[in-house]
Amino acid sequence: TQLLEQSPQFLSIQEGENLTVYCNSSSVFSSLQWYRQEPGEGPVLLVTVVTGGEVKKLKRLTFQFGDARKDSSLHITAAQTGDTGLYLCAGARSGGSNYKLTFGKGTLLTVNP
Amino acid sequence: GAGVSQTPSNKVTEKGKYVELRCDPISGHTALYWYRQSLGQGPEFLIYFQGTGAADDSGLPNDRFFAVRPEGSVSTLKIQRTERGDSAVYLCASSLRAADTEAFFGQGTRLTVV
Repeated sequence: TQLLEQSPQFLSIQEGENLTVYCNSSSVFSSLQWYRQEPGEGPVLLVTVVTGGEVKKLKRLTFQFGDARKDSSLHITAAQTGDTGLYLCAGARSGGSNYKLTFGKGTLLTVNP
Repeated sequence: GAGVSQTPSNKVTEKGKYVELRCDPISGHTALYWYRQSLGQGPEFLIYFQGTGAADDSGLPNDRFFAVRPEGSVSTLKIQRTERGDSAVYLCASSLRAADTEAFFGQGTRLTVV
């Protein structure tokens, strides 16, 4: 059972466009992380959000954690070809197993020149 | 080392053979994790080590899978009697402390069972 649903699964856009990808769950997470993964590489952490309603910005990337800590979104402004990659969200549960990350299937983003 | 190192990068093996996958974590990181990523999927948790002991092996799919970390640093994931369904990218990650969920991933070992 996939506890974290990511949408869309695939996204192909032109350089300069804006986009938003979503990560939804029926479960509450103590924290949620966004990773970017390029072919042949492991996931690289972009951001961790821990507070419901939290918004974090990383240059052109804006991350939001839902008020109920069940969902999150990633917005990219003026996408660049270097943003191409697989974007994964991963949630950590509270309590004794907070080390264990549950990943979504990811959104494969292609930014065309 | 500078980052998490996994060897080999690629491994092709025949069905039924035994394989070992190695992970060298970031120096000083006490927590180590193994994940498995099948094609088109996100990584799935396999096992977590705190120091030398396997604190949580609930993600190992069956008893053909086993992992060790004898000196609290390098870890080896061992798969016996490999099956075609074991084909995947095996990712290792480490973090400074278990409660510190900022884990750093290696590049993975792509295992192909033919």
